[in-house]
Amino acid sequence: EAGVTQFPSHSVIEKGQTVTLRCDPISGHDNLYWYRRVMGKEIKFLLHFVKESKQDESGMPNNRFLAERTGGTYSTLKVQPAELEDSGVYFCASSQDIVGGRTDTQYFGPGTRLTVL
Amino acid sequence: GDSVTQMEGPVTLSEEAFLTINCTYTATGYPSLFWYVQYPGEGLQLLLKATKADDKGSNKGFEATYRKETTSFHLEKGSVQVSDSAVYFCALRRNTGNQFYFGTGTSLTVIP
Repeated sequence: EAGVTQFPSHSVIEKGQTVTLRCDPISGHDNLYWYRRVMGKEIKFLLHFVKESKQDESGMPNNRFLAERTGGTYSTLKVQPAELEDSGVYFCASSQDIVGGRTDTQYFGPGTRLTVL
Repeated sequence: GDSVTQMEGPVTLSEEAFLTINCTYTATGYPSLFWYVQYPGEGLQLLLKATKADDKGSNKGFEATYRKETTSFHLEKGSVQVSDSAVYFCALRRNTGNQFYFGTGTSLTVIP
């Protein structure tokens, strides 16, 4: 079974440019999450999709970040315009549902390392 | 708010040494606790978990016990190998909602 995949693995852009990150979850996983690790600090939650709907987007830093999951399969995270402080590693994770609305273990992708110059 | 604090690295050990990586948490209620590991060039992998107080999670020789009285979930291994070199993340998930809260990660290097 294929794991969570992310593209690209690395991205280097200049301040003010736009970047789009992609995440393909494990097939059949309705839950998809985005996280970010900045400058060796803790990994922070950004948002949670259930199928195509945003369940929780409380961690999104500002309106320069836009996440979509059309059709409930893969997801994209767009940063527009990118700022220096957006540099970091962006992780995607997916999980199945279990009884009572709680989700199973989250399976993580390898991450996309974003550098904004 | 909910948070996880883990010991800062980097940690360098000789092969077969004993490993402890400390992790403490702050949370309301009764969270589930996890250790994830990230090997070079790979994504985070679940190493072990515990869902209630006094539970012990174990995998690949690693162990951690959920201690509610000390709000801790320290990771231990009796004899580390070179292949254990990785970054280790402690995390919690509240008993409501599905968001994870991670620590800053501890880099471990095991030398032959």
